[in-house]
Amino acid sequence: GAGVSQTPSNKVTEKGKYVELRCDPISGHTALYWYRQSLGQGPEFLIYFQGTGAADDSGLPNDRFFAVRPEGSVSTLKIQRTERGDSAVYLCASSRDREGYGYTFGSGTRLTVV
Amino acid sequence: QKEVEQNSGPLSVPEGAIASLNCTYSDRGSQSFFWYRQYSGKSPELIMSIYSNGDKEDGRFTAQLNKASQYVSLLIRDSQPSDSATYLCAARLIKAAGNKLTFGGGTRVLVKP
Repeated sequence: GAGVSQTPSNKVTEKGKYVELRCDPISGHTALYWYRQSLGQGPEFLIYFQGTGAADDSGLPNDRFFAVRPEGSVSTLKIQRTERGDSAVYLCASSRDREGYGYTFGSGTRLTVV
Repeated sequence: QKEVEQNSGPLSVPEGAIASLNCTYSDRGSQSFFWYRQYSGKSPELIMSIYSNGDKEDGRFTAQLNKASQYVSLLIRDSQPSDSATYLCAARLIKAAGNKLTFGGGTRVLVKP
């Protein structure tokens, strides 16, 4: 596609529920990144995929968070047993696999845990 | 110490003046630096990248990099009310995998007519 697409744009869920957030990267981009941004803060790195594999998942806060990219394109971020502290905007970005290039973010998913 | 640091602001600038934003980073070996603009409720938008010491100009924006002092700055000339946004500094740290970027907390800029 022309840009990075994220769905849903907004998600409200109850504490303890499971949620899935989807990211469809720019066509041909092999690298995909998930970030989380809380109000008034900069984006915080969660996980980076190169192709189908997670090249760096050091930013995932705990084992309730998991992400997959089974075919090297669309990625899903999965959060189990959601907590109110998980409320944030989840941003996805993609880039070509060459290092040193800035990347394009999707419009984000605003997750609210009530 | 955060890996990428910015003054949170707000930086209040009269219309037509120069806005000067600063960013420092802790990883001396970092090579690539980026400035993103983020309007309220929107996602970050890449506006500048810089890789070498010195200045890089693009329209009303100038990025400056000083690797010896480990800082990056962004100048916005002839500031307009539409420049009111949060500006995020990002660095690709030398230890980072792939193109992973580390972001500062952002500087909020208010341009007053």
